[in-house]
Amino acid sequence: EIVMTQSPATLSVSPGERATLSCRASQSVSSNVAWYQQKPGQAPRLLIYGASTRATGIPARFSGSGSGTEFTLTISSLQSEDFAVYYCQQYNNWPCFGPGTKVDIK
Amino acid sequence: QVQLVQSGAEVKKSGSSVKVSCKASGGTFSSYTISWVRQAPGQGLEWVGRIIPILNIANYAQNFQGRVTITADLSTSTAYMDLSSLRSEDTAMYYCVRDLSSGYFDHWGQGTLVAVSS
Repeated sequence: EIVMTQSPATLSVSPGERATLSCRASQSVSSNVAWYQQKPGQAPRLLIYGASTRATGIPARFSGSGSGTEFTLTISSLQSEDFAVYYCQQYNNWPCFGPGTKVDIK
Repeated sequence: QVQLVQSGAEVKKSGSSVKVSCKASGGTFSSYTISWVRQAPGQGLEWVGRIIPILNIANYAQNFQGRVTITADLSTSTAYMDLSSLRSEDTAMYYCVRDLSSGYFDHWGQGTLVAVSS
């Protein structure tokens, strides 16, 4: 069973600053990682798949990188609407999610 | 535009069963997979299982084996999740999600809250 971990649990960032979120897999998942954003009271939204491909309609300030066991989601300049919880998910095997990183306002 | 519309909230007693539906519109229902993902209050996301409607093949997460049944009706483009022997820990929002057979989820239903009381 693959276990996904995310760090940090909470990231406090000022608007306009860069945010870097990490996700680690317990074994290699190749590039089969997706990232989702979830705001309170809403369903998650797909941001990135294939570790680095932005989903339809996702702004260019969101970027993903990594392969194997280490992955990163970067938000280049945080906007007010980006404060949310972010989950990574591997789909190299049966799907499983990381515990999430909450990005809040500093 | 793909839309997944789920049935309404449910309140159930411990030990009973619940069946949640997910009706798809837009896109071709037979060309993709439907998964179910749950989220307990204040918690993260957990994959429950999936169905490939065109093949009528379902797979389930180990944590739910024996308690969950996922089915699909091609004629109505509707998927169903049936969860039995409910306990308080099953209280959660249940989402149906579309998977283009790649493993990631590009469209999500609005969620169905299932509350289990003793």
